[in-house]
Amino acid sequence: DAKTTQPPSMDCAEGRAANLPCNHSTISGNEYVYWYRQIHSQGPQYIIHGLKNNETNEMASLIITEDRKSSTLILPHATLRDTAVYYCIVRVADDYKLSFGAGTTVTVRA
Amino acid sequence: EAGVAQSPRYKIIEKRQSVAFWCNPISGHATLYWYQQILGQGPKLLIQFQNNGVVDDSQLPKDRFSAERLKGVDSTLKIQPAKLEDSAVYLCASSVGGRPPYEQYFGPGTRLTVT
Repeated sequence: DAKTTQPPSMDCAEGRAANLPCNHSTISGNEYVYWYRQIHSQGPQYIIHGLKNNETNEMASLIITEDRKSSTLILPHATLRDTAVYYCIVRVADDYKLSFGAGTTVTVRA
Repeated sequence: EAGVAQSPRYKIIEKRQSVAFWCNPISGHATLYWYQQILGQGPKLLIQFQNNGVVDDSQLPKDRFSAERLKGVDSTLKIQPAKLEDSAVYLCASSVGGRPPYEQYFGPGTRLTVT
């Protein structure tokens, strides 16, 4: 599987947009970019995924660069409940497996 | 829709004792996963079932860990005997299966402390 690189931590202000970067320079053409998050004492929660087009759902937006070597997860209006560890995962299209790295610890401050 | 259920939520045992964790996936989900999450790390896949068959157990320490999913629904993960390094959160997840991409739904986990 292609590996991802994420900053270990970041802070953002409540009500502002949070932009979480992820590098995946060795991604293959059939690999998707997935984002999960894990709030303290809970299991990971699926946020969004994409292949090459930008994606948006009720939780977040995913922006993938044209060369697919990096992506950004955007939480448009961060709230205190968005404080969590965010995992960027690259996954082969036909593979069930999710390989989690250390993720980015995001702290939303009032 | 009910989520993935796990029990117990917390367990404290002494080293060399045995322990078992139970998972009930979301109804209709064919694929079930067990992950181990050591403090400060991301979850690591231990074993994956498709219905009641094992798809991947390459990271399961088979000398002490075992798992089963006899009727293709509930699953049990057992550790016997436990070691100090087994202290972790054990997460169960399930997915519909079928054609990807598909998301995994996680339970709240069981926090195991081995003393």
